Parts: sequence; structure tokens; C-alpha cells
Amino acid sequence: DTAVSQTPKYLVTQMGNDKSIKCEQNLGHDTMYWYKQDSKKFLKIMFSYNNKELIINETVPNRFSPKSPDKAHLNLHINSLELGDSAVYFCASSQDAYNSPLHFGNGTRLTVT
Amino acid sequence: AQKVTQAQTEISVVEKEDVTLDCVYETRDTTYYLFWYKQPPSGELVFLIRRNSFDEQNEISGRYSWNFQKSTSSFNFTITASQVVDSAVYFCALSEVNTGNQFYFGTGTSLTVIP
Repeated sequence: DTAVSQTPKYLVTQMGNDKSIKCEQNLGHDTMYWYKQDSKKFLKIMFSYNNKELIINETVPNRFSPKSPDKAHLNLHINSLELGDSAVYFCASSQDAYNSPLHFGNGTRLTVT
Repeated sequence: AQKVTQAQTEISVVEKEDVTLDCVYETRDTTYYLFWYKQPPSGELVFLIRRNSFDEQNEISGRYSWNFQKSTSSFNFTITASQVVDSAVYFCALSEVNTGNQFYFGTGTSLTVIP
């Protein structure tokens, strides 16, 4: 069974569209994250939720909105997509706070044309 | 300021050579954790190791070994007798007790092992 699964794997869309990426973890972890990896491979945290509560909200355009219906799910909705949003988005989860490793999903490659 | 520095952007070695990937971190916390992740060409991020700030013992796992030195704020990763399957981008990361769920990643080192 996949521990952290995110869908879709690839997402190609046009500027101005709205899209969502879904993430689910079956590890029983309390904390979930969204990371963005740009073309230079730099990993930047976007959001973190602990037990459905937002605890990290980095400087991200408000076109990005995370939603956590329960602690096993953390979805990412993006409004009015822009060319600069093209990247790979990774969902991750961890058991505790700072001392547990992150378990990543396989990533969603978003291409905005 | 960058909390985790991986100065080596790209490294190429010939198969069977040993290679060390450098990681230097910066923190004022006394309690923190360090991690290494591997990202092969297929794109997934794979956790390799975690080390806490109170445990300076070196760790060896097969061909992989890690050298943690608080005196130099370094957590270096050595691959012995490299193989083509080791080709990947390797990330070092830091998490601190005072910043909770925040993980700071280095910019990664791209390792190419040439057959």
C-alpha cells in the first residue's frame, strides 16, 4: 500500500484555470505538508497542517489554498494559474513535529501553458 | 541566510569511486535533527537517515556512511564504491525544536555515477 499518495501525477493546464491536487496518507501521521520544487530542484515549504489545523503558511500567493478535511488528507487548490506556478508539488507527512522524517508522495508535475 | 548549505551543485564520479557529499548547517538551537534524502531520476524523495543533535556517532549502512561533526556544523554523506544506481539528487535537511514543523532543505547535490 502506498503510504502517501497524491493525484494526479501530471497536470497540464492553461493559464487562468483553477486546479486541485489531492493528497492522502495512510500512515496515521498527525502532520501533513505541501512543498514546491522548482526547475532548479529547490524544495520550498508552502503549508503545514497538524491535525487539520494550519500551522505553517509560508509566503505563498493567496491563489493557493490548502484544505484538510481530516488528518489523513491535505488537498491543494490553485486558482487563476500562472506560468510561474509550473513546478513539481510534493505532499508529505510526518508523525510528530521536528524530529520525525518526512514521508513524501511521488509528486505532481504541474505544467501551465 | 541559508540554514543548510550544500556547496556542491553537481558531482560526477566513475563507478566504484568513493564520493562525499557535503552538508553544512546553521542553527542556534541545541536540539535539532538532520536528515538526508535521495531523489533519483524517477523523481520521488526517499528518506535515508535522521540524526539528532545529541548523537555524534557516525553511522554506516552498507555502502553509505554519515559523518556528523557539531564542531564544524557538518553532516557529510559518503558513498563507498559508487554505483550507477546512486545517481540522484541528494538533499540535506535540518529541523529545529524551536521552529516546530519547519524543515529547512539544502539546494541539493546532483550526483552522476558514470559507468
